[in-house]
Amino acid sequence: DAMVIQNPRYQVTQFGKPVTLSCSQTLNHNVMYWYQQKSSQAPKLLFHYYDKDFNNEADTPDNFQSRRPNTSFCFLDIRSPGLGDAAMYLCATSRDRTGREKLFFGSGTQLSVL
Amino acid sequence: GENVEQHPSTLSVQEGDSAVIKCTYSDSASNYFPWYKQELGKRPQLIIDIRSNVGEKKDQRIAVTLNKTAKHFSLHITETQPEDSAVYFCAASNHDMRFGAGTRLTVKP
Repeated sequence: DAMVIQNPRYQVTQFGKPVTLSCSQTLNHNVMYWYQQKSSQAPKLLFHYYDKDFNNEADTPDNFQSRRPNTSFCFLDIRSPGLGDAAMYLCATSRDRTGREKLFFGSGTQLSVL
Repeated sequence: GENVEQHPSTLSVQEGDSAVIKCTYSDSASNYFPWYKQELGKRPQLIIDIRSNVGEKKDQRIAVTLNKTAKHFSLHITETQPEDSAVYFCAASNHDMRFGAGTRLTVKP
């Protein structure tokens, strides 16, 4: 059963056109993460929500924003996508943020920027 | 912040041989070390993890060792099979999980 669901699986957008990626979870986990993964590279943490508290990584561009309207849903907004933003975007959850909790990943959204 | 280095970046073995992937980390406060397997176009899947109070953990053909003093940990896969072919990521976590750059393992039949 899918526990972390990402939609869409593939997303194509135009250079500079805002795009939103979505993630939902049925695990009732407190923490939701967004990772960016470029080809043949490690997932890079963009930001996370611990409950309603938003935590941005220092090197995440301002072009990337996130919303978490409730426990189950989290969105990644890219305000003005550039060619360099083409990547796989992975949503993940963990029960807590003790640092000892495993991550549950969604299937990812592959973003293409034309 | 945490920095995780992973070696080798690519690894090719014959079916039945063993494969070893090594990682080092920088933050001595990290206390959780998972390993993820990612097949092409799929999500990372946890295959084994180890916590800082344990030196070694084994699950069938997969084992992980941790040396906290030296700040390194390793993944060992024995009796490799073609379906073990994938990219493997190590990670270290204090509060937020940081990943190594990945190792592309190819098991040749």
